[in-house]
Amino acid sequence: ELKVEQNPLFLSMQEGKNYTIYCNYSTTSDRLYWYRQDPGKSLESLFVLLSNGAVKQEGRLMASLDTKARLSTLHITAAVHDLSATYFCAVDVLYGGSQGNLIFGKGTKLSVKP
Amino acid sequence: SQTIHQWPATLVQPVGSPLSLECTVEGTSNPNLYWYRQAAGRGLQLLFYSVGIGQISSEVPQNLSASRPQDRQFILSSKKLLLSDSGFYLCAWSTGTTSSYEQYFGPGTRLTVT
Repeated sequence: ELKVEQNPLFLSMQEGKNYTIYCNYSTTSDRLYWYRQDPGKSLESLFVLLSNGAVKQEGRLMASLDTKARLSTLHITAAVHDLSATYFCAVDVLYGGSQGNLIFGKGTKLSVKP
Repeated sequence: SQTIHQWPATLVQPVGSPLSLECTVEGTSNPNLYWYRQAAGRGLQLLFYSVGIGQISSEVPQNLSASRPQDRQFILSSKKLLLSDSGFYLCAWSTGTTSSYEQYFGPGTRLTVT
């Protein structure tokens, strides 16, 4: 069974601190996606990681992918309140009847406090 | 550029009433289309996906159905709503090519069944 596990599921941070969200997956895939969801809103694409060793950065967020370890990380640097949201990672389904679909993690709810 | 629309944005329906949610995509051809449901404070549950007109795959048994009458139109329906059908319904599309399975989400429909 394909599984995508995010850790932690809830994260309360102080402004200015650094932290990392982890995304482990059980399938062989070399592509991973990060999304952000603000309360009451839809999902917005943050990063698309398409190969082993891929690293993408946008502002205070940096995502990386290690396909050998089946692990992606989302690193937050000097957190600010505007980063408060739920972050989802998702992995491609490469084979089988569901090929082309994504398997999503349960999401990490991030709350950044002054 | 591509855009995805969903309507209505919010809906309050009594138990046992019918349902029709619509999703349309502009600016692309032959997209893969997806319906997700998100219960309050929960992750995403894939309900249906479609790789072409009239081609619908169901991921979970339920009292919902989906149809794709046109290339860029995806409809979610129910003959009789249950309380458990309440949630945030998200439509998404992807290009259907193998280079990336990134999905792009619509604004969502918030359904409350009373």
